[in-house]
Amino acid sequence: GIQVEQSPPDLILQEGANSTLRCNFSDSVNNLQWFHQNPWGQLINLFYIPSGTKQNGRLSATTVATERYSLLYISSSQTTDSGVYFCAVDGSEKLVFGKGTKLTVNP
Amino acid sequence: DGGITQSPKYLFRKEGQNVTLSCEQNLNHDAMYWYRQDPGQGLRLIYYSQIVNDFQKGDIAEGYSVSREKKESFPLTVTSAQKNPTAFYLCASSYGRYSYEQYFGPGTRLTVT
Repeated sequence: GIQVEQSPPDLILQEGANSTLRCNFSDSVNNLQWFHQNPWGQLINLFYIPSGTKQNGRLSATTVATERYSLLYISSSQTTDSGVYFCAVDGSEKLVFGKGTKLTVNP
Repeated sequence: DGGITQSPKYLFRKEGQNVTLSCEQNLNHDAMYWYRQDPGQGLRLIYYSQIVNDFQKGDIAEGYSVSREKKESFPLTVTSAQKNPTAFYLCASSYGRYSYEQYFGPGTRLTVT
């Protein structure tokens, strides 16, 4: 089945710093989503981005489908950005999740 | 407000008891899903349903059962056959099949002792 790898596994930033999270996948996809899991466990949809580039405020994402990777950019990070960021892609009739990047933003 | 609700938020059970987790959505989505998350891990698919009265096993269906009698509801029963039931359970829904964007409920934390 399709494999999803996220990097880095852990990231610690000072408030105001920028960061880039990466998601590599092993096969072509029709669906790629980025989620933020907050400290209470809720999964918040960030982007639905099987290809191309999207921006939403301080966050943006780019998926290069032909090279099988996606990047999530966080600019001017805030403490509320802390949590785990998951990438998920469709594979064999289901959504396959990476193991996530745990982001900690310190004040 | 449209969304997905899960209840209860926290659930405690004794080993050997079956327990049912509720998931309701008012988004008019056809497809619904149940995932399990263990500490420090990603999500794994338990069961999914693309239409009323039909559902399919995911990667880790053993020890779980579901029903889909109404479009809005997709309850999950954790049976006594599930060897390690303590986990965080998340329900999701989407307009269509897996290629459509999925939306998640707030989750239920189940602890079995």
